[in-house]
Amino acid sequence: EVQLVQSGAEVKKPGESLTISCKGSGYSFIDYWVAWVRQVPGKGLEWVGFIYPASSDARYRPSFQGQVTFSVDKSINTAFLQWSSLEASDTSIFYCARLSQLPGYASSSGLGALDVWGQGTPVIVSS
Amino acid sequence: DVVMTQSPDSLAVSLGARATINCKSSQSVLYSSNNKNYLAWYQQKPGQPPKLLIYWTSVRESGIPDRFSGSGSETDFTLTINNLQAEDVAVYYCQQFFRSPFTFGQGTRLEIK
Repeated sequence: EVQLVQSGAEVKKPGESLTISCKGSGYSFIDYWVAWVRQVPGKGLEWVGFIYPASSDARYRPSFQGQVTFSVDKSINTAFLQWSSLEASDTSIFYCARLSQLPGYASSSGLGALDVWGQGTPVIVSS
Repeated sequence: DVVMTQSPDSLAVSLGARATINCKSSQSVLYSSNNKNYLAWYQQKPGQPPKLLIYWTSVRESGIPDRFSGSGSETDFTLTINNLQAEDVAVYYCQQFFRSPFTFGQGTRLEIK
């Protein structure tokens, strides 16, 4: 079964650092882009960016550039989303998702819908 | 960024009836090289991650019932749900994957009347 399994909920204070994870299984993890999507509880979906595990090529939405860092550990088929200094406004659910391989395209193309989703990691930042 | 705008924000439809959700992009998401519109639809039920329903405007993901259909081109798109079932209650999102960042619409909440 193709799946992405994310790390558990986190409660942090402003200014603290945090890393959450997303482990892929059932497919060739390094060959598919992994996207990160934010959802403030009760609100809509917001694209954060994506990373290609084979090369660690990472592309951030401009509003998130410098605020978060994507990384991967290919040896354990896991992608990470990291903050160096959290703010209360970071309180959200963060989903990882796999970029699909469109017919006629390589999985490395960077074009695709999100066909496999993790269960989400709630992040609460509060003093 | 490509701005995606859905309408309506919410709607209530009777069981067995048809639901129609619209999505408009601020610029065309049509790739002229293959004549494909890079537009997807997702369904999100409470407490769950989103689920891909349709990509390339009208291609249903594996396992998605044919009650769900998509149409449109360039900047105007529609998700149609025929013969509405109770399990279709959810929030529906469109997303363009034509140009990064791959932006989403604000969502449309579908309820049973």
